[in-house]
Amino acid sequence: DVKVTQSSRYLVKRTGEKVFLECVQDMDHENMFWYRQDPGLGLRLIYFSYDVKMKEKGDIPEGYSVSREKKERFSLILESASTNQTSMYLCASSSGTGVLNTEAFFGQGTRLTVV
Amino acid sequence: AQKVTQAQTEISVVEKEDVTLDCVYETRDTTYYLFWYKQPPSGELVFLIRRNSFDEQNEISGRYSWNFQKSTSSFNFTITASQVVDSAVYFCALSEYEAAGNKLTFGGGTRVLVKP
Repeated sequence: DVKVTQSSRYLVKRTGEKVFLECVQDMDHENMFWYRQDPGLGLRLIYFSYDVKMKEKGDIPEGYSVSREKKERFSLILESASTNQTSMYLCASSSGTGVLNTEAFFGQGTRLTVV
Repeated sequence: AQKVTQAQTEISVVEKEDVTLDCVYETRDTTYYLFWYKQPPSGELVFLIRRNSFDEQNEISGRYSWNFQKSTSSFNFTITASQVVDSAVYFCALSEYEAAGNKLTFGGGTRVLVKP
């Protein structure tokens, strides 16, 4: 079974803190994604990576950065947390592109509260 | 740019009723993939189906069925004889064929509440 594991289920951080959200997948997938989920807005893509050390901005990258030093690990960084970054964060991974596109597998989510 | 719209934000039904979730998408690509995911109260998204743009055949899997109509850019999902365990948020998503990393664009989700 594919497993995508996020390091924390719940996090509470203070405004201005630097926050790291970690995600690990065990299926050798090339592609990894970070989404945030807010009520009524669905899932919005923050950043994604299709190879080690490669990263692409998604739809809402402002205030975030990412790191992918190893294929199995994709980290989301909030450089200076703000209250409007309070949200559910979901990591996902998938394999291939184009015709080799597979479905994405998701982690359990990290509910981040910034106070 | 690709876009997915789920106009229904919440649907409430009584057990054993059928429920249909609407999904309308926009894309400039002629080749793309469509997906449905379920998010139960536990939070983890569960993959339900993937359909490529060349395959317009409807699909049935147990109580679930999907109606893909390219002419109206819709990919609707029906749960037949709903059960309480079907209560969840359901997301429709689109992935363009040429998109690097096959990133998914999601709709806003439809919350389904099945009452006993």
